[in-house]
Amino acid sequence: GEDVEQSLFLSVREGDSSVINCTYTDSSSTYLYWYKQEPGAGLQLLTYIFSNMDMKQDQRLTVLLNKKDKHLSLRIADTQTGDSAIYFCAEGGSQGNLIFGKGTKLSVKP
Amino acid sequence: DVKVTQSSRYLVKRTGEKVFLECVQDMDHENMFWYRQDPGLGLRLIYFSYDVKMKEKGDIPEGYSVSREKKERFSLILESASTNQTSMYLCASSAQGYEQYFGPGTRLTVT
Repeated sequence: GEDVEQSLFLSVREGDSSVINCTYTDSSSTYLYWYKQEPGAGLQLLTYIFSNMDMKQDQRLTVLLNKKDKHLSLRIADTQTGDSAIYFCAEGGSQGNLIFGKGTKLSVKP
Repeated sequence: DVKVTQSSRYLVKRTGEKVFLECVQDMDHENMFWYRQDPGLGLRLIYFSYDVKMKEKGDIPEGYSVSREKKERFSLILESASTNQTSMYLCASSAQGYEQYFGPGTRLTVT
């Protein structure tokens, strides 16, 4: 069945790069997404990548897609304390919905 | 600017009460979704809708129902609230085949 896996926690120091990894199962997904959730808030779309791309860069964010291994990663350069949040990876489901991972909680230490 | 609003940020209800959670989007999106979010379980899809008066069960529909009488509004109904329905409820909308936009969430406590 459709499934998205990601590690639950990541801790980095301010100014370092953060890399959040995700694996997914459905190779027919057209888009793959990264969402950010700050404490007590809803999910905010951070970025997405079209499935025929290998990489997408958007300011401090870099998304890498390895379609062969069904592996997606989000790199945040120069991580700041404001980047502390939960990050969700998502792929398109067969019913037009999104399948979300359980989320990776990023903690940024000053 | 994209906007999804939910009727309450925080709600406290008693066991057995009927609870309505409202969601409104202003983007003319066809699709609307209700999720619940629990620690360690991520987001789980309760119900979704592709069009007015259409509804589809998600992964955990038991104990819930939905209503979509107008395109912009999608309601989640807990017919008889129970303590195991204490959770964060998130509404989202999307155009067909595209990314979902989320509301701020409703934290429901059932006592």
